[in-house]
Amino acid sequence: DIQMTQSPSSLSASVGDRITITCRASQSISDYLNWYQHKEGQAPKLLIYSASALQSGVPSRFSGSGSGTDFTLTISSLRPEDFATYYCQQSYRSPRIFGQGTKLDIK
Amino acid sequence: QVQLQQWGAGLLKSSETLSLTCAVYGGSFNGYYWTWIRQPPGKGLEWIGESINGGTTNYNPSLKSRVTISLDTSKNQFSLNLSSVTAADTAVYYCARGPIIDYWGQGTLVTVSS
Repeated sequence: DIQMTQSPSSLSASVGDRITITCRASQSISDYLNWYQHKEGQAPKLLIYSASALQSGVPSRFSGSGSGTDFTLTISSLRPEDFATYYCQQSYRSPRIFGQGTKLDIK
Repeated sequence: QVQLQQWGAGLLKSSETLSLTCAVYGGSFNGYYWTWIRQPPGKGLEWIGESINGGTTNYNPSLKSRVTISLDTSKNQFSLNLSSVTAADTAVYYCARGPIIDYWGQGTLVTVSS
C-alpha cells in the first residue's frame, strides 16, 4: 500500500501569514494527490485535486504543487475561516489513503 | 447539484453489524467510485473502501475481512456493512463520491458500546 506522510502535524499561525503543508508519498503517485479542509462538525471539503488544480469555488489563496512523491499545499494569506485540519489523499490506486492531517490553529 | 444523504443505526453493541446507506441525488450514478470514509474521535480520516458499478470493489486491507460495500443502481444508493464491531469502530462515518472525493454525505456518528 502507498503510505502518505504529512508534516507538520500541527501548525500555529496568524491571520495574514503564508503557510505551507507538505505531503510525501511512499512511492510515486504522479499527480494523483488531493487536499481537503476539515472543520469540526462538518464534512471535509475538497480544495485541490490532481496536485495543483483548484476546485471550483475555492479561493485563489489556496494553491498546490508537486508531483511524484513530494507535494505542498500553500495558503498565501491566512484568513480566520482557514483555521482547520488539512488532509492530503492519494487517488493513484486503492487503498486511497489519507495523510494523518495537519491541524492549523491561531497563534 | 449532487447531494448525498446517509442514514443508519447510531448505537450498536460489540459484535453487532454496522449498516449504513447513502442515497445519491442529482448527477450520474455510473462511472464514479462510491466511497465510505470514517473518522474516529480525535483521529484522522480513514478510507474504508469503494465500489463502482460493473463489480469493482476495493477495501482498506485493515478492514477487508469485515467490510462489504454494495451498490443498488436501481435506487442510486450504496451501502456499508461492517461486521463484528468493537469500540474501535466508534467513529463518524461519511459516504462520498470518489476517487477524488468531491461530494460528501453529512456524516453519521456510530457509537459501539460494550
